[in-house]
Amino acid sequence: DIRMTQSPSSLSASVGERVTITCQASQAIRNSLNWFQQKPGKAPQLLMYGASNLEAGVPSRFSGSASGTDFTFTISSLQPEDFATYYCQQYDNLPPTFGGGTKVEIK
Amino acid sequence: QEQLQESGPGLVKPSETLSLTCAVSGVSISSHYWSWIRQTPGKGLEWIGYIHYSGSTNHNPSLTSRVTMSMDTSKSQFSLKLTSVTTADTAVYYCVRGKASPYFWGQGILVTVSS
Repeated sequence: DIRMTQSPSSLSASVGERVTITCQASQAIRNSLNWFQQKPGKAPQLLMYGASNLEAGVPSRFSGSASGTDFTFTISSLQPEDFATYYCQQYDNLPPTFGGGTKVEIK
Repeated sequence: QEQLQESGPGLVKPSETLSLTCAVSGVSISSHYWSWIRQTPGKGLEWIGYIHYSGSTNHNPSLTSRVTMSMDTSKSQFSLKLTSVTTADTAVYYCVRGKASPYFWGQGILVTVSS
């Protein structure tokens, strides 16, 4: 299985701050990477696919990039509704695998 | 409007079989792949497997010996059976539209394995 190493596992940030989360794949996955947002008691919601493509309706303050097996997810200006847990997921190889998650909390 | 709704027992005894069903509405079940994913505090998110109306299935190797998936297109629903459960199978189980990339999720159902 491909291992997805996500960091940090948690972070505290203020509204308006820039937030960056990274995910490293244990082997090449091309750009077959999703980013999900999960709020307490809810199912994960797909925000981004193909490493950098926003799902319809997702605000442009969210962005993603890729460099080899390293992937970056950025929130340019954190909003109150963005406090949640974020997960990366590779879908290049079966079984699809997820990162351990990053909990974004209010500072 | 697309909706996925999981149903099944919330409590299963160790060594028994966990059985869940996902009702699909707002989209044709025959037009997509459908998967099950589970989430635990300890292991995080784990893909269980997918099914297609053509009969194509694929399961996570870590679970494949215990997993059966089926589909009833006339009822627009698909199902998961997981045999010989242990406490490690306690999780929130999600049904999902997608093969390897989960596009849309049900709300999830908590299944607890306990005697």
